[in-house]
Amino acid sequence: GAVVSQHPSWVICKSGTSVKIECRSLDFQATTMFWYRQFPKQSLMLMATSNEGSKATYEQGVEKDKFLINHASLTLSTLTVTSAHPEDSSFYICSARERQKSYEQYFGPGTRLTVT
Amino acid sequence: KQEVTQIPAALSVPEGENLVLNCSFTDSAIYNLQWFRQDPGKGLTSLLLIQSSQREQTSGRLNASLDKSSGRSTLYIAASQPGDSATYLCAVEADSGYALNFGKGTSLLVTP
Repeated sequence: GAVVSQHPSWVICKSGTSVKIECRSLDFQATTMFWYRQFPKQSLMLMATSNEGSKATYEQGVEKDKFLINHASLTLSTLTVTSAHPEDSSFYICSARERQKSYEQYFGPGTRLTVT
Repeated sequence: KQEVTQIPAALSVPEGENLVLNCSFTDSAIYNLQWFRQDPGKGLTSLLLIQSSQREQTSGRLNASLDKSSGRSTLYIAASQPGDSATYLCAVEADSGYALNFGKGTSLLVTP
């Protein structure tokens, strides 16, 4: 089946630094990738939609200058959290839609970010 | 704006019981509905996907139904096992190519 990986699986960084999270579709081409954020005991909230070769579309309330998304190829999207703050600590999950199959999304295993 | 609600928020049952998890959504114009399982600190495992034209899907001990007109879906788990303990998330997709809109989940504990 379709596999989506994320790297790193967990990361600890200091306040004010930047951290990059990668989302890869391993065995399929993904024209669209989604980035979600999940706070403890909360559900997943969509942050942005990433389309290959174009600018990401951000949800209301998500700062595009703080959460930089780059979807440079059909198999890779990156999320960079710039000038991280403790309130950015969360679980970040990406999903990818397979190019040939329009009705199913595949989720990555998530990245746990802790900002100290 | 689509709102997805899951009831109950938490559920504890003894092993062997059959149980039903509920999901409701406010906008019936959906493309599909999906049930996921999430273990603590982990990502999502897709359990069942029901397209808007379908009424139910089954996989092993799991059965999910969809009533689009009333904005409801149920996940039925037969003969529950301790290994079923996890959070179950319901999510709807408004249209093809859209992101998923998630409920807050039902935390299930199955005791031996």
